[in-house]
Amino acid sequence: GESVGLHLPTLSVQEGDNSIINCAYSNSASDYFIWYKQESGKGPQFIIDIRSNMDKRQGQRVTVLLNKTVKHLSLQIAATQPGDSAVYFCAEHAGNNRKLIWGLGTSLAVNP
Amino acid sequence: NAGVTQTPKFQVLKTGQSMTLQCAQDMNHEYMSWYRQDPGMGLRLIHYSVGAGITDQGEVPNGYNVSRSTTEDFPLRLLSAAPSQTSVYFCASSSSGNTQYFGPGTRLTVL
Repeated sequence: GESVGLHLPTLSVQEGDNSIINCAYSNSASDYFIWYKQESGKGPQFIIDIRSNMDKRQGQRVTVLLNKTVKHLSLQIAATQPGDSAVYFCAEHAGNNRKLIWGLGTSLAVNP
Repeated sequence: NAGVTQTPKFQVLKTGQSMTLQCAQDMNHEYMSWYRQDPGMGLRLIHYSVGAGITDQGEVPNGYNVSRSTTEDFPLRLLSAAPSQTSVYFCASSSSGNTQYFGPGTRLTVL
């Protein structure tokens, strides 16, 4: 038979442009959010995190924005490079059991 | 530090066979977890442990067992493999914070 799978949202950008990857989270009680990058054939790798008492956090070439009013999280990548091509996952944490709730991921393709 | 290591990298099983996926971390992390990742889907939590001797079920525990006899090791056992368990399995660990560090994954095919 034929299998039907989910198709990841895909963002395609030109090298050097800025990328914005969006994520909607579900639990208004979530107090911690993380972005992970997963390259093909590898495990997810931590990029940046943010706590609910902040609305912006910057790293090297990456910025995470948190809008608790609309339960929205975004990851901005400046000057996107071919090495940024990967699937990006957001994850949220609520409660003290340290379990994370994962989004389905967004595939970022960087065109040279 | 080696971080989180997983063995084997690849495995093919026949339906009904049993096997253990190994996971070890050398960061003295309390929290360890197992996820499975299927094409086009996010990560789904199978089992997790908040410390040696303590394990709990995640989102999709059926067909899998775990134990945590030491801080370092967190093996995942498939009791009787089924084709529905064909997936990529990731082990992760974290300290008292929330950031999890992942191993490279085990790609399992059940025929």
